[in-house]
Amino acid sequence: DAMVIQNPRYQVTQFGKPVTLSCSQTLNHNVMYWYQQKSSQAPKLLFHYYDKDFNNEADTPDNFQSRRPNTSFCFLDIRSPGLGDAAMYLCATSIGRGDGTDTQYFGPGTRLTVL
Amino acid sequence: GDSVTQMEGPVTLSEEAFLTINCTYTATGYPSLFWYVQYPGEGLQLLLKATKADDKGSNKGFEATYRKETTSFHLEKGSVQVSDSAVYFCARLNQAGTALIFGKGTTLSVSS
Repeated sequence: DAMVIQNPRYQVTQFGKPVTLSCSQTLNHNVMYWYQQKSSQAPKLLFHYYDKDFNNEADTPDNFQSRRPNTSFCFLDIRSPGLGDAAMYLCATSIGRGDGTDTQYFGPGTRLTVL
Repeated sequence: GDSVTQMEGPVTLSEEAFLTINCTYTATGYPSLFWYVQYPGEGLQLLLKATKADDKGSNKGFEATYRKETTSFHLEKGSVQVSDSAVYFCARLNQAGTALIFGKGTTLSVSS
C-alpha cells in the first residue's frame, strides 16, 4: 500500500543535542510537510517542500531545519532541542494540485522527548 | 483571518448514540474542508472531505455536508461505537492551498 512512513516512532534526545527525524513516502507526491503537535493541541505547520522548493512558515524557529534529498524522503533537523520542543512531529504529503483541492496524507508521527 | 472553530470537548456518549461535532470556518471563497481523526499515540487519518459547497463527504458511517450559507461542516454519525473514541479535527486549506488550518480538536469518548 502507498503510504507515509516516519522513523523512528519514538525519539529521546538530550537538551541541546541535535536530532533528525525521518519521513518517506511511496505516494510519489510533490509536496511534503512537517507539522508540530504539542500535547492536546492542533498540529501546527513548520514548513513544506513543493518538490525542491522550501517554504518556511514565518513563525517557525531557526532551530528547525529541513532537507529533502529526493522525492521520497524528507528530514526534520532540530539543531539544539529545548524542553519546549517535546512534541509529536507529523509528516504529511499531498499531490500539489494548486487548485485548492489538495488532500494531505499523514504519517504515524514521531514522538520526541527531550530530557 | 482564516480560522476553524469546532465545539469544545470532551464529548462522552454511549454506544449507538447519535454524534454531532460542530465545525464552522471563516474564509474568503470556498476552501476545501476536511475531518481528520487521531487515535491515541497515532498520526492523523483522513476521515472525509468536501471540496465545494453542498458536497457531502462520507466514510465509515460518518458524514459532513459543506454548507456555505452557514459556513459549517458539522460531523455526524448515526450510531457510534466504542472504536470511534478518538480526537476529531476539522480543517480547511489556507488560501494558498499550501497548509491546513485546524480546529482545536474534539475528544470523543464512547462507552459500552
